[in-house]
Amino acid sequence: LAKTTQPISMDSYEGQEVNITCSHNNIATNDYITWYQQFPSQGPRFIIQGYKTKVTNEVASLFIPADRKSSTLSLPRVSLSDTAVYYCLVGAGGVSGGYNKLIFGAGTRLAVHP
Amino acid sequence: NAGVTQTPKFRVLKTGQSMTLLCAQDMNHEYMYWYRQDPGMGLRLIHYSVGEGTTAKGEVPDGYNVSRLKKQNFLLGLESAAPSQTSVYFCASTLNAGRGADTQYFGPGTRLTVL
Repeated sequence: LAKTTQPISMDSYEGQEVNITCSHNNIATNDYITWYQQFPSQGPRFIIQGYKTKVTNEVASLFIPADRKSSTLSLPRVSLSDTAVYYCLVGAGGVSGGYNKLIFGAGTRLAVHP
Repeated sequence: NAGVTQTPKFRVLKTGQSMTLLCAQDMNHEYMYWYRQDPGMGLRLIHYSVGEGTTAKGEVPDGYNVSRLKKQNFLLGLESAAPSQTSVYFCASTLNAGRGADTQYFGPGTRLTVL
């Protein structure tokens, strides 16, 4: 089971770039790294997923070093609406991948200030 | 395309009462999940289903039962509610789990209070 560790909270200001790092030292060969975003009173929403190197979409970038023991979610030029909890998940999915052990953890509470 | 919907949105129960939470998805997804989220904490997996007619236990299954009689619906039952089951319940679904960790699509949640 790949346990993840991420900061409990972060603060930023509008227009800044925010980087949230997640540690997953025990990541398995077939594990993917997925980040979700959750606003108050809503269900989590998929942001980005990657296996290695760098992945970019219209919302964020995900940087994964060669050893895959950590990953960094990068949010460019954050706005007040990016204030949310961000979860890092590691898993392969499926019964063999351990869906019964998929753990979201407490996530990182990002507060964006004016 | 409504995605994942949950019924009801809010509910207050007395200790010992029973209820069923309904999750429905219109994306033809194979996998469905029930999570609970307590204040300031992440989500914990209660039960999940890998297909119609199948269910399996998650991380915190005690006190809950589930059924997946139809592919699009996943029901979570509380037979005898306890105050410790006061939480927000989220349902999610994924197309399949064959390659990597497929994206989970979440419903809006059901806020349950047990007095």
